[in-house]
Amino acid sequence: ETGVTQSPTHLIKTRGQQVTLRCSSQSGHNTVSWYQQALGQGPQFIFQYYREEENGRGNFPPRFSGLQFPNYSSELNVNALELDDSALYLCASSLPGLAEVSYNEQFFGPGTRLTVL
Amino acid sequence: AQRVTQPEKLLSVFKGAPVELKCNYSYSGSPELFWYVQYSRQRLQLLLRHISRESIKGFTADLNKGETSFHLKKPFAQEEDSAMYYCALSAQINAGGTSYGKLTFGQGTILTVHP
Repeated sequence: ETGVTQSPTHLIKTRGQQVTLRCSSQSGHNTVSWYQQALGQGPQFIFQYYREEENGRGNFPPRFSGLQFPNYSSELNVNALELDDSALYLCASSLPGLAEVSYNEQFFGPGTRLTVL
Repeated sequence: AQRVTQPEKLLSVFKGAPVELKCNYSYSGSPELFWYVQYSRQRLQLLLRHISRESIKGFTADLNKGETSFHLKKPFAQEEDSAMYYCALSAQINAGGTSYGKLTFGQGTILTVHP
């Protein structure tokens, strides 16, 4: 069984640029969630993808967008980067929640460290 | 809206001492609560969830709805317990026959167990 992988490990961008982060979900998992973890803070939910569509979103502006592909891998895109976007971005995969199962465990990747200068 | 508060940023104990990591939550629905742990140089992983009512690595956590708390406890701390611990609440949102679990995390508590 392959765990969640993310790429790149870290990258540096300048203000105003655009960035794409990638995530491969754990084998058999078709739901991917993205989180932003600023330094000294807990992870914050950005959005979740299921069946190649966004089916849930946190309090993040539209310049944060994503994609999910038929193989369940996912991308997080951030446009017009701001200094405050500097953070660790975490991807987590899971099975979708079912009506009779209230929660399915989310398995996290190692994260991508983004620095915006 | 949901909120999770971990009042202690840092917690230090000696090996063999009891440890309690505090977590309080705010949520209008029926909460599902979890503890996640991140050991040094490792990824975030689930430690335990309240619905399982199980003990993992000697840790237990009881959901107290009256006090809106979900404190993590271990009677005898070990050095290998040193890590960052996050309390998290899941808001299950139903949409079109499926649902998604949005995790809301606290700020985390760094536990250090001294020899």
